[in-house]
Amino acid sequence: AQSVTQLGSHVSVSEGALVLLRCNYSSSVPPYLFWYVQYPNQGLQLLLKYTSAATLVKGINGFEAEFKKSETSFHLTKPSAHMSDAAEYFCALMDSSYKLIFGSGTRLLVRP
Amino acid sequence: GAGVSQSPSNKVTEKGKDVELRCDPISGHTALYWYRQSLGQGLEFLIYFQGNSAPDKSGLPSDRFSAERTGGSVSTLTIQRTQQEDSAVYLCASSPGTAEYGYTFGSGTRLTVV
Repeated sequence: AQSVTQLGSHVSVSEGALVLLRCNYSSSVPPYLFWYVQYPNQGLQLLLKYTSAATLVKGINGFEAEFKKSETSFHLTKPSAHMSDAAEYFCALMDSSYKLIFGSGTRLLVRP
Repeated sequence: GAGVSQSPSNKVTEKGKDVELRCDPISGHTALYWYRQSLGQGLEFLIYFQGNSAPDKSGLPSDRFSAERTGGSVSTLTIQRTQQEDSAVYLCASSPGTAEYGYTFGSGTRLTVV
């Protein structure tokens, strides 16, 4: 069965520090992987996606993620955190019937 | 439209009443999804419509939940005889129907059953 695991329900960083949000997946077929961000009282916004074209994917707001097949990972990074990055982040995998399977989410807190 | 539109944005209802939640997808998107987001449960798939195919209802939690999509566009999620555990944010998303695109989500309907 396909699944997504996000390590750490909460991550706290200082403004200007590196952001690293971890995502591991399980899939028997080459996956399509996504990162979404959710700001308070809003829906989910697509940050970036991996669709097998390139292993390093760049998204909006300075975020990027690297697909590592050997580690079954798709971690999200940003070199320098900004206060406006505080939100909840969801990693997701598209299953064989075109449904997105989400991880449990990681809430990013940015300290001034 | 420019984005996925959901209404109402907030709904408070009494236990036992029926509610209808509406989703207006992006024009031309053939796929439409409903998810539920509740505290401690994450994002839970409910139902998926793709074109004229029979919907995938495998995520509906009980027979109190139903959904329809009229004319391949607007969708309505209906919850009958609401219970307190139905309180959640109900998110709708649409997609062109190809896997690599991902979904575009609406802002959701926050349902509170009192």
